[in-house]
Amino acid sequence: EPEVTQTPSHQVTQMGQEVILRCVPISNHLYFYWYRQILGQKVEFLVSFYNNEISEKSEIFDDQFSVERPDGSNFTLKIRSTKLEDSAMYFCATTLATNEKLFFGSGTQLSVL
Amino acid sequence: AQTVTQSQPEMSVQEAETVTLSCTYDTSESDYYLFWYKQPPSRQMILVIRQEAYKQQNATENRFSVNFQKAAKSFSLKISDSQLGDAAMYFCAYRSFYMNYGGATNKLIFGTGTLLAVQP
Repeated sequence: EPEVTQTPSHQVTQMGQEVILRCVPISNHLYFYWYRQILGQKVEFLVSFYNNEISEKSEIFDDQFSVERPDGSNFTLKIRSTKLEDSAMYFCATTLATNEKLFFGSGTQLSVL
Repeated sequence: AQTVTQSQPEMSVQEAETVTLSCTYDTSESDYYLFWYKQPPSRQMILVIRQEAYKQQNATENRFSVNFQKAAKSFSLKISDSQLGDAAMYFCAYRSFYMNYGGATNKLIFGTGTLLAVQP
């Protein structure tokens, strides 16, 4: 089965630093998403991205967050100035069409110290 | 706003036995999708089964089946002939049928999960 690839698998950063999480979607997929899961809590939607723009975002996705697909392949999530509460597992998910199966990556565990 | 509730934080089952995981949800929409996702220790989210609300027939995937009760807003997962590899966190999730701009939303609303242990 095709896979969504996320790098790095683990990221440790100091509070206030910028981090970029990367995702390589399945090649023909058109819809891209970021979710996050704080340890022991539910998985939460952050943002959806289609046709090079954000189509929906949650309250969590404030001005500190941004997404882009700079080179037509990688899909990135940037956190400009990390906070302790940003520590979580971040999942990228992609799909060919919105009524099709959503494929999740293995996640990036972000630890903010 | 839609909510998803999983009232069983942990469950345990003997290998080869059957277990049922509960999920209830709240919505004012008439059309939607419901999902069960499995999250093993690797933490990857794996789709187990999907149910369209407009279908009366309960979805089945091999040893996994659901009991979808639309009026009661209940969506339980039954795992038959449990195997050691079924041990994982299981999340129930909801998605609206109707899309917003460009049909681009695939926003899932997750429950808090049920940790399933399988005893040999």
